[in-house]
Amino acid sequence: RKEVEQDPGPFNVPEGATVAFNCTYSNSASQSFFWYRQDCRKEPKLLMSVYSSGNEDGRFTAQLNRASQYISLLIRDSKLSDSATYLCVVNIGERTGGFKTIFGAGTRLFVKA
Amino acid sequence: GAVVSQHPSWVICKSGTSVKIECRSLDFQATTMFWYRQFPKQSLMLMATSNEGSKATYEQGVEKDKFLINHASLTLSTLTVTSAHPEDSSFYICSARDPTGLVFYEQYFGPGTRLTVT
Repeated sequence: RKEVEQDPGPFNVPEGATVAFNCTYSNSASQSFFWYRQDCRKEPKLLMSVYSSGNEDGRFTAQLNRASQYISLLIRDSKLSDSATYLCVVNIGERTGGFKTIFGAGTRLFVKA
Repeated sequence: GAVVSQHPSWVICKSGTSVKIECRSLDFQATTMFWYRQFPKQSLMLMATSNEGSKATYEQGVEKDKFLINHASLTLSTLTVTSAHPEDSSFYICSARDPTGLVFYEQYFGPGTRLTVT
């Protein structure tokens, strides 16, 4: 089982739609969580951090469920410019005191006019 | 946010030659940088963690003698792909953490280097 799993999609949605992505992680030592956005042939860019209390930034809402070990991202009122690959990222604590970062394979979103 | 640059942005080289990729943190000092590789339609895979002034830590399966990492200063890490082969063709991305940033674990990524080995 992969440490971080995402539905690869693609999700094809019309403009204005609401779309939700889920991501599951297997390691209970996971400490921090993020959603990154990656456009084709570009580097990933941080979209938002994810907290148990929920995190909202405009049309984007992220949620963490530690008990079930999943993270979600909700995009409301989709725009054409939201078309990208969304990466779920998990930091897992290590015995050395550091941590390692695990990237999900990403979920592709296409927003159509 | 913090800025990380990479050079070159793309490179084509012949099989058997070596290629050096630079990663720089432009407005902060990074004691740790990370090197990733991404094949088409696949996730980023961490290759190694580059530590300023010490040896890099390589992930399992990554040949340290083939992928040489040097982190000589707090703002520069280099990855050298030695004796490159076509299977090394990939998108190489570096990242760094800004220890003074508000989000401690946030990684800032360079724009990536697309390597094609012919």
